[in-house]
Amino acid sequence: NAGVTQTPKFRVLKTGQSMTLLCAQDMNHEYMYWYRQDPGMGLRLIHYSVGEGTTAKGEVPDGYNVSRLKKQNFLLGLESAAPSQTSVYFCASSYSQVDIQYFGAGTRLSVL
Amino acid sequence: RKEVEQDPGPFNVPEGATVAFNCTYSNSASQSFFWYRQDCRKEPKLLMSVYSSGNEDGRFTAQLNRASQYISLLIRDSKLSDSATYLCVVTPDNYGQNFVFGPGTRLSVLP
Repeated sequence: NAGVTQTPKFRVLKTGQSMTLLCAQDMNHEYMYWYRQDPGMGLRLIHYSVGEGTTAKGEVPDGYNVSRLKKQNFLLGLESAAPSQTSVYFCASSYSQVDIQYFGAGTRLSVL
Repeated sequence: RKEVEQDPGPFNVPEGATVAFNCTYSNSASQSFFWYRQDCRKEPKLLMSVYSSGNEDGRFTAQLNRASQYISLLIRDSKLSDSATYLCVVTPDNYGQNFVFGPGTRLSVLP
C-alpha cells in the first residue's frame, strides 16, 4: 500500500548544484503536483501535471523544471540550486483536479 | 486579501475541550472544500471533506457558509493525539484551477 513515494527524503546541496526529486504513485492518478512548504507560508504549488506528457506552472515555478514521461512518475529538477530553495518539498497526486490529493512523505532540502 | 486565510494559533486547549477553527476564502466561485491535518514534520493527510449541508465524522464536524465565505472545523472532546496543524483547502472552481491551501492553524491539546 505505497501510495505516493518521494525520494530522497533528505538532501543537502551547495549553491549552484543540481538535483532531481522523484515522485512515484501507484494509484493510477492522472494529476500530480509538486509543492513547497516554508514556515508560516503554507503549501505553494510549484508545477503540476494533468496527465502523462503534460506539465504546467503553478504559483512559484521559477528555478524549477518538471517532467512527466510516465503516468506514475513526476520529476522535479533544480538546475542551479539557490539558498532560497531551502524548503520541504511535497509531491501529491489525485484522480481529478477537485478530488482529494494524497501526499508523499516529503523531501527536506537544504541549500548552503 | 489572501485567497485562503486561517488564524495561525496556536490554540492550546486542555484534554476534553471543544475547539473550533474558522477559515475564510476570497473566491465566491469556490467549489470544493477540505480540511487536512498535518503532524509535525509529516505530510498533510485528509481529515474530511466539507459539504454544503455540513458533515460530521465522530468528534469532528465541518460546516460551510457560502454566504459569508468561510468553513469551520469543530473538534469535540479533544484528545492529545489531535495535536497537529489543521489546513483549510479550497478549490476555486471546477475547471482549470488547483487546490489553494491555507497557512494552517496549530492545535496543542494539553494533558
